[in-house]
Amino acid sequence: SAVISQKPSRDICQRGTSLTIQCQVDSQVTMMFWYRQQPGQSLTLIATANQGSEATYESGFVIDKFPISRPNLTFSTLTVSNMSPEDSSIYLCSVTAGGTEAFFGQGTRLTVV
Amino acid sequence: GQQVMQIPQYQHVQEGEDFTTYCNSSTTLSNIQWYKQRPGGHPVFLIQLVKSGEVKKQKRLTFQFGEAKKNSSLHITATQTTDVGTYFCAGPRQNFVFGPGTRLSVLP
Repeated sequence: SAVISQKPSRDICQRGTSLTIQCQVDSQVTMMFWYRQQPGQSLTLIATANQGSEATYESGFVIDKFPISRPNLTFSTLTVSNMSPEDSSIYLCSVTAGGTEAFFGQGTRLTVV
Repeated sequence: GQQVMQIPQYQHVQEGEDFTTYCNSSTTLSNIQWYKQRPGGHPVFLIQLVKSGEVKKQKRLTFQFGEAKKNSSLHITATQTTDVGTYFCAGPRQNFVFGPGTRLSVLP
């Protein structure tokens, strides 16, 4: 299993600013995943964060908007840049530890005003 | 690309009634996973199915994987208020696709 600490748990931000979300795992994992979940919707994969290389982004998501860092095997950050109200959502980090089961952080509830 | 659909989108049941959600994929799946997300919470893994026709049980929950490995179902017997939440199916990790989810509400 894996325990994930994600912060902040929530934030209210002004449009045009940026927010960095941190994700700390209690064990070393190869890949970390960042998801967005809009209210009442399913999870959409933003990108896969690989240690030692650039993140791999899914269609519709770009590095300039969602830069990701992965400095080591237990930590990653996702930045939501130049925010607009459309970025209001829950952002979740996730890992698979050992098997294929996915573990999720508690999520960051972002409101952009 | 792979698409995973779920029905129904919403289900309201009286406590004690049964509940079933269905997951259908446009392609054959090597495995399928089910997650539960409580209101305000994060998704929590329930189970993974791998074999064609596989059936697994967890107390009141029964999971099935279709013979063609393109569909799956989750059945809850005698729902309780603690079953409230959204149930997601998800395809294999390589192209990890979550279904849209079925939101279950249970009326006491």
